[in-house]
Amino acid sequence: EAGVAQSPRYKIIEKRQSVAFWCNPISGHATLYWYQQILGQGPKLLIQFQNNGVVDDSQLPKDRFSAERLKGVDSTLKIQPAKLEDSAVYLCASSLSRGFQETQYFGPGTRLLVL
Amino acid sequence: KQEVTQIPAALSVPEGENLVLNCSFTDSAIYNLQWFRQDPGKGLTSLLLIQSSQREQTSGRLNASLDKSSGRSTLYIAASQPGDSATYLCAVPNQAGTALIFGKGTTLSVSS
Repeated sequence: EAGVAQSPRYKIIEKRQSVAFWCNPISGHATLYWYQQILGQGPKLLIQFQNNGVVDDSQLPKDRFSAERLKGVDSTLKIQPAKLEDSAVYLCASSLSRGFQETQYFGPGTRLLVL
Repeated sequence: KQEVTQIPAALSVPEGENLVLNCSFTDSAIYNLQWFRQDPGKGLTSLLLIQSSQREQTSGRLNASLDKSSGRSTLYIAASQPGDSATYLCAVPNQAGTALIFGKGTTLSVSS
């Protein structure tokens, strides 16, 4: 079974530029998550999708971050304009469905450096 | 607000040692607790999930225990190997079940 795929793996941009990350979840997984992991910290949820609808985006900085999941499969996360503090690893995860008991499967992440 | 704390932040041991990683959480009303492993440049891999009704879970050389009343969990690694070197994170679901709340992790280094 193929895992969660993410691209690019690394990205370096200057502040005020825009950047986009892509995620392809495990086939058949209805729930998709984007987490931000700053160096030395645990991952923090940015947004959760159930199929193509947003379940929780309470911690997404909506003035600069946006995400979509068209057709309930792939997802993109965009930052525009980027700030220095956005330097982090962006992890995508998926699970079969919502719920406390569902195991989340994580992708390798995209490492972003904002200069 | 749920907070998850892990100590120590880093640990170095020689190969063969048994070791314990600690995780504490402030709100004992959890549904479950998970331990993850993160290798450099890679995503997270789930190691063990303990339900709130369980006291412990075992997988190979790993044993995780849960004491809800005291807000603590431990991950016991027996006979450590260099391949166990990684960052170990514990996480609990938030109240809405929409996200996992993670600790900062313990970075383990096992030397041969």
